Order: sequence, then C-alpha cells, then structure tokens
Amino acid sequence: KNQVEQSPQSLIILEGKNCTLQCNYTVSPFSNLRWYKQDTGRGPVSLTIMTFSENTKSNGRYTATLDADTKQSSLHITASQLSDSASYICVVSVNTGGFKTIFGAGTRLFVKA
Amino acid sequence: SQTIHQWPATLVQPVGSPLSLECTVEGTSNPNLYWYRQAAGRGLQLLFYSVGIGQISSEVPQNLSASRPQDRQFILSSKKLLLSDSGFYLCAWDGDFTDEQFFGPGTRLTVL
Repeated sequence: KNQVEQSPQSLIILEGKNCTLQCNYTVSPFSNLRWYKQDTGRGPVSLTIMTFSENTKSNGRYTATLDADTKQSSLHITASQLSDSASYICVVSVNTGGFKTIFGAGTRLFVKA
Repeated sequence: SQTIHQWPATLVQPVGSPLSLECTVEGTSNPNLYWYRQAAGRGLQLLFYSVGIGQISSEVPQNLSASRPQDRQFILSSKKLLLSDSGFYLCAWDGDFTDEQFFGPGTRLTVL
C-alpha cells in the first residue's frame, strides 16, 4: 500500500534553533518527492522537489535530503524564524501511467520567540 | 506567469443547503485540475481530478460532485451539505510537464 508517514506530528522550537522533520514512504514506483509549506488558512507552497537521483536540495534555510534506498526524506530548517511556523507536508508521486500523488499528514511546527 | 484563484475565501452554510465553489487558473492551457479537502489538523484528501474539459475522476465516494465546464475552470458542488462537509477546500493545478502542483488560496467551509 502506498503511504507517506511524517514525524513528528508537531514540534515546538525556539526562534534561532534548527530542526529536522522526517518523512518515510512506501510508495512504488517512485517518481519524485516534494516538501510543501502550508501557513494556517492558506494553500501549500512548494519548497523543494527531488527525483530519484537527487539526494539533497536547498531552498534558502530549508534543506531537503532523500535516501531512495531506505525511502526516507528529511527537511532541515536552519536558524528558525517566527515565520517558519506552519505545517510542512511531504508529498510523493508515483510513476505510473495514471495520476497518483500521496500526501503525508504533515508536521505542525511552532516557532516561539 | 500562472495564477490560480478560488472563491469564496470563507463560507458558512446551513445543513441541507447547496454548495458551489469555483476555481480558475490563468496563464496556462489544458491544466490538470484537482480538488482537495483538508479537515482540521489533518492531511490533504484528494476529492476529484480532471485532465480535460468534462473529464472528472472521483477518488472517494461522497456528498460532493465536480464539473469542468471550461478548460481553466473547476467547480465543486453539492446539492445538500452535511455537517461532515466542513473543512478547508483547496484547488490545485499541474501540467503534463511540470514537476509540482500549485495550490490556490483555499476556501474555508463551515456547515452549521
């Protein structure tokens, strides 16, 4: 069964600290993996996208890693800011003849001053 | 550049009333269009997707329906709303040669 699991479910950190969010998937055949940021009451916005051959990608203070062998990805946030408070969603696409995108439930990040 | 619009932004409706949410995309042609629902504190659930005018695929059985009367217009409807239809509804698009989905701002629906 194609699944995407994220951990932790929620996380509270102090402003300026780093954190890492995890994503494990059992999707096959794998096409790509994306991390989205969703502010409360808004639509998700893409942060990074990685294909099978890529194992790291950065977008400012956000760095995503991918281990296609263990089917794990992480999103590392450096020097967190209050504006980083949001839900972070891991999304994996399946490479089939038809459409299939599987969303994780997200990690809710709270950054405190 | 491409943009995606949804309206209304918020909606409060009584149980049993009809629903119509609209989504339009600008700056692209023949997009794939999607409707998602997100319950409070939960992940995104795909409701419908469309690869072309008049072509609708449903992912889950439910009280809702979708239509695509024009290439860049996607409508989510219900004849009679249920309390369980409350949630955050997101429209998204992608193309056959794009790597990601682009989401609209969402509609917060509360059914009382």
